[in-house]
Amino acid sequence: EVQLVESGGGLVQPGGSLRLSCAASGFTFSTSWMHWVRQAPGKGLVWVSRINTDGGTTIYADSVKGRFTISRDNAKSTLYLQMNSLRGEDTAVYYCTSGASTRFDPWGQGTLVTVSS
Amino acid sequence: QSALTQPRSVSGSPGQSVTISCSGTSSDVGAYNYVSWYQQNPGKAPKLMIYDVSKRPSGVPDRFSGSKSGNTASLTISGLQAEDEADYYCCSYADTYTLVFGGGTKLTVL
Repeated sequence: EVQLVESGGGLVQPGGSLRLSCAASGFTFSTSWMHWVRQAPGKGLVWVSRINTDGGTTIYADSVKGRFTISRDNAKSTLYLQMNSLRGEDTAVYYCTSGASTRFDPWGQGTLVTVSS
Repeated sequence: QSALTQPRSVSGSPGQSVTISCSGTSSDVGAYNYVSWYQQNPGKAPKLMIYDVSKRPSGVPDRFSGSKSGNTASLTISGLQAEDEADYYCCSYADTYTLVFGGGTKLTVL
């Protein structure tokens, strides 16, 4: 079964850090572009970041550039998102997903990050 | 990286057709044939419905179709069914290797 499982979300204070993980199974992770997409409560989907197959190319949305870092461990079939200098507006469900161009499939179930004091 | 523009809501009766528009610019929708559409039910992850403007993944009913003209992409759902009620999002590749989603459209089946 093709599956993505996110973990690492939780409550963090403004200015704090958090690292999200996304464990992949059922498909060839090492040959798949991977992405993070977030959704604030009651709001729409927002693309956050993507990484190529060997981790050598990473792209970020302007809203997280310089604060978030996407990475991957192909040996562990795991995607990461290191989030630093967190702000209230980063509060969202964070989804990992796989795909080239904009063909995102599959998606994980999401992990909730809440930034609040 | 401005969000693509979608109507906030659309509605239709069972059996009818509805079209959801997705307006972008010459730097995203108009520049690339990499537009996809996602269906999202409350509390669930998005589901891919259309990719590369008009291609349907296996398992998606052929009632769902996509198209593009200029800077605007469209998702058409024909033979509307109650189970189609959900939020729909478009997504496009954009300049500087980024991607952008639309604001989302709530489809109500009357």
